[in-house]
Amino acid sequence: QSALTQPPSASDYPGQSVTISCTGTSSDVGAYNYVSWYQQHPGQAPKLVIYEVNKRPSGVPDRFSGSKSGNTASLTVSGLQAEDEADYYCNSYAGSNNFVFGSGTKVTVL
Amino acid sequence: EVQLVESGGGLAQPGESLKLSCVASGFAFSGSPMHWVRQSSGKGLEWVGRIRGKANDYATSYAASVRGRFSISRDDSKNTAYLLMGGLRIEDTAVYYCTRQPPDRWANDYWGQGILVTVSS
Repeated sequence: QSALTQPPSASDYPGQSVTISCTGTSSDVGAYNYVSWYQQHPGQAPKLVIYEVNKRPSGVPDRFSGSKSGNTASLTVSGLQAEDEADYYCNSYAGSNNFVFGSGTKVTVL
Repeated sequence: EVQLVESGGGLAQPGESLKLSCVASGFAFSGSPMHWVRQSSGKGLEWVGRIRGKANDYATSYAASVRGRFSISRDDSKNTAYLLMGGLRIEDTAVYYCTRQPPDRWANDYWGQGILVTVSS
């Protein structure tokens, strides 16, 4: 199972928006609405920010939103804040009880 | 408060075995599938495997990179999940995280702090 494809980096200014793509195949992202997104700050464990494509866990700001079209899922962070600077990873169920992560995207707040 | 605490990491030589433990608290452990995820230094996250609960016969699944070498188990009476790593390779060097999947969601909502495993001769 190959890693899902994410852009290595994304950036924008405070208050602006950044969208990160996560491209898989018709066997994982395209087949199931089981895409989740994780935020990871340096030296810390990942934190769930979106699950099942577009659902937000309690406590996650509504600046974080998710969507999916075909084999590509996306995470949008609106109203960028300094604390949003982190690495972001997507994850998808890939069938047969297997899961796969994306390659990761480093978000920089300029 | 939900807590996941890993232990058992350290240094191992290629070919050796190591067993990680993950003690859980603050939630109904027996009903939650548990995953292991690893991260090599400066690299991305890699899903290692999952063990489901008693209702699903403790079914396990593994990434191709570890299948046949690693084994996940759990002891619900001790609220503990385990990762037995055999035939260790240099490329298994990573921080290993245990994570909880809620029974009603497809995601990992709580993560341990991670434990470092180093494989070196």
